[in-house]
Amino acid sequence: DVKVTQSSRYLVKRTGEKVFLECVQDMDHENMFWYRQDPGLGLRLIYFSYDVKMKEKGDIPEGYSVSREKKERFSLILESASTNQTSMYLCASSLRSVTGSLYNEQFFGPGTRLTVL
Amino acid sequence: DAKTTQPPSMDCAEGRAANLPCNHSTISGNEYVYWYRQIHSQGPQYIIHGLKNNETNEMASLIITEDRKSSTLILPHATLRDTAVYYCIAGYNTDKLIFGTGTRLQVFP
Repeated sequence: DVKVTQSSRYLVKRTGEKVFLECVQDMDHENMFWYRQDPGLGLRLIYFSYDVKMKEKGDIPEGYSVSREKKERFSLILESASTNQTSMYLCASSLRSVTGSLYNEQFFGPGTRLTVL
Repeated sequence: DAKTTQPPSMDCAEGRAANLPCNHSTISGNEYVYWYRQIHSQGPQYIIHGLKNNETNEMASLIITEDRKSSTLILPHATLRDTAVYYCIAGYNTDKLIFGTGTRLQVFP
């Protein structure tokens, strides 16, 4: 079974703190993603990575950065946490798409509920 | 990627078929339709996807209209464990999906 794990289920931080959210997958997937989920807004893509040391901005990258030093690990960094970053953060991974119709589903972790006070 | 429209919520009796509609009227010819669902307190889970033809797997069936402007996800015998938010996504880039707000399906006894 594919397993995507996230370092914490719940996290409470103070405004201005630097926050690291860690995600690890054990299926040798090339692609990894970070989303945030807020009521009424659904899931929104923050960043994704399709290879080690590679990253691309998603729809809402402002206030976040990422790091992918190893294939299995993708970190989301909040350089200076703010209250509007209180949210559920979801990590996902997938195999890289092959040209054509082969679809590689995204596998999600359980999420980290971050509260910034 | 094409925008999708789904009803915000639906109810279904246990044991009956749940039919979840999705409108994607701006979908282009090479864009797929994907369905995921998210059970409370879990990450989303892939269900099924299709391009033109109807598709079926062990979880559900996907019916895509001939003009591809809409589709329906069918759970043939809904159970209480199918209570979840269901996301319909239309897109070409299979590496990057854009989730909307989905349909909250409540299955009742």
